[in-house]
Amino acid sequence: DADVTQTPRNRITKTGKRIMLECSQTKGHDRMYWYRQDPGLGLRLIYYSFDVKDINKGEISDGYSVSRQAQAKFSLSLESAIPNQTALYFCATSDLVGTGWFFGPGTRLTVL
Amino acid sequence: GENVEQHPSTLSVQEGDSAVIKCTYSDSASNYFPWYKQELGKGPQLIIDIRSNVGEKKDQRIAVTLNKTAKHFSLHITETQPEDSAVYFCAASPIYNFNKFYFGSGTKLNVKP
Repeated sequence: DADVTQTPRNRITKTGKRIMLECSQTKGHDRMYWYRQDPGLGLRLIYYSFDVKDINKGEISDGYSVSRQAQAKFSLSLESAIPNQTALYFCATSDLVGTGWFFGPGTRLTVL
Repeated sequence: GENVEQHPSTLSVQEGDSAVIKCTYSDSASNYFPWYKQELGKGPQLIIDIRSNVGEKKDQRIAVTLNKTAKHFSLHITETQPEDSAVYFCAASPIYNFNKFYFGSGTKLNVKP
């Protein structure tokens, strides 16, 4: 089984809809992250969490919110989706020193 | 904050040739430099990393070199194979300080049989 799983893998939605992307991990890591990938821009950090009670904004958090339901689960929500949020979204986990990173397979989100 | 630049954005080589991807960084506090490989439809996977107290690290056909003075590091792939075709990302970060973990923009490597 995969260490980091994401659901759904693909989603098409309309402008204004609320969307939730889910991430689960079996690595036992405390640290979890949400990244967005756009062509030519690499990976940009949306939110990160160092434990269940710790949530932090990344460099592009506007328009997004997150929930850390448990050590193993970290969800990303788009409260009112807009077309420029069309992108590939990755969840990742890391160990405490930040050198052992694992990425999920990604969620391709299209906002029409 | 940190700025990581990666070149080239695309690289095409013949099978068996070597491929080199270069990254530069701006934050002198960065001391951990991983490289990730992203295959189509998958998330990035760590392939090799290097810390600032080491100038070079090898793992079979893959090597990474680091020049801290010049603030650049490179990925070297020798004897390339078609399965090396993927997008490669570099990143830079101070260990223990996650707030400064930044990725390069990626290099699409195509290895022609």
